[in-house]
Amino acid sequence: EVQLAESGGDLVQPGGSLRLSCVASGFTFSRYEMNWIRQAPGKGLEWLAYISDSGGMIYYADSVKGRFTISRDNARNSLFLQMNTLRAEDTAIYYCARAYSLDFWGRGTLVTVSS
Amino acid sequence: QSVLTQPPSASGTPGQGVTISCSGSNSNIGSNYVYWFQQLPGTAPKLLMFRNDQRPSGVPDRFSGSKSGTSASLAISGLRPEDEADYYCASWDDSLRVPWVFGGGTKLTVL
Repeated sequence: EVQLAESGGDLVQPGGSLRLSCVASGFTFSRYEMNWIRQAPGKGLEWLAYISDSGGMIYYADSVKGRFTISRDNARNSLFLQMNTLRAEDTAIYYCARAYSLDFWGRGTLVTVSS
Repeated sequence: QSVLTQPPSASGTPGQGVTISCSGSNSNIGSNYVYWFQQLPGTAPKLLMFRNDQRPSGVPDRFSGSKSGTSASLAISGLRPEDEADYYCASWDDSLRVPWVFGGGTKLTVL
């Protein structure tokens, strides 16, 4: 069974940093592209970042470019999102999702940016 | 402001059919596949339709997708109370050079 489990969400002050993790199981992680997507409270979905299966190709949404960094460790079946210079508007549930088709999603981890 | 445009709400009674629209442009829907996601209350989104009209395993055939030009639609027949959810369309966008753009979501209420 395909499973994705995000962790690392927390309450952080504006300007702070946080690193999110997504651990995959039930499939060959190294063969799949991965994505981070977020959902602000009561709002819609916003795609944030994409990384190819090898990590050689990366894309970011303009809203996080230069502040967030997506990476992966295929040996540990793990996806990461390093988030720096956090703002109040980054408050959201952060999901990892598999493949170009977003065919499986984790349950999400909540990031709250507030003083 | 979402790149893809969906009606904010839709409704129907059990047994009825309902259609949710998604409007885009030549750079997204017009030249790429459309995907649909269902988000039940308090849960993560789930892939409901891929490549315009393909259902993942386990999705009932009451759900169907279509695309024409720069617009797409999700049709649900024989509405059930458990279909009450938020529905999002999504596509790739060539001009924005980002893998994914989403619609703002449509909240479906089963009356």
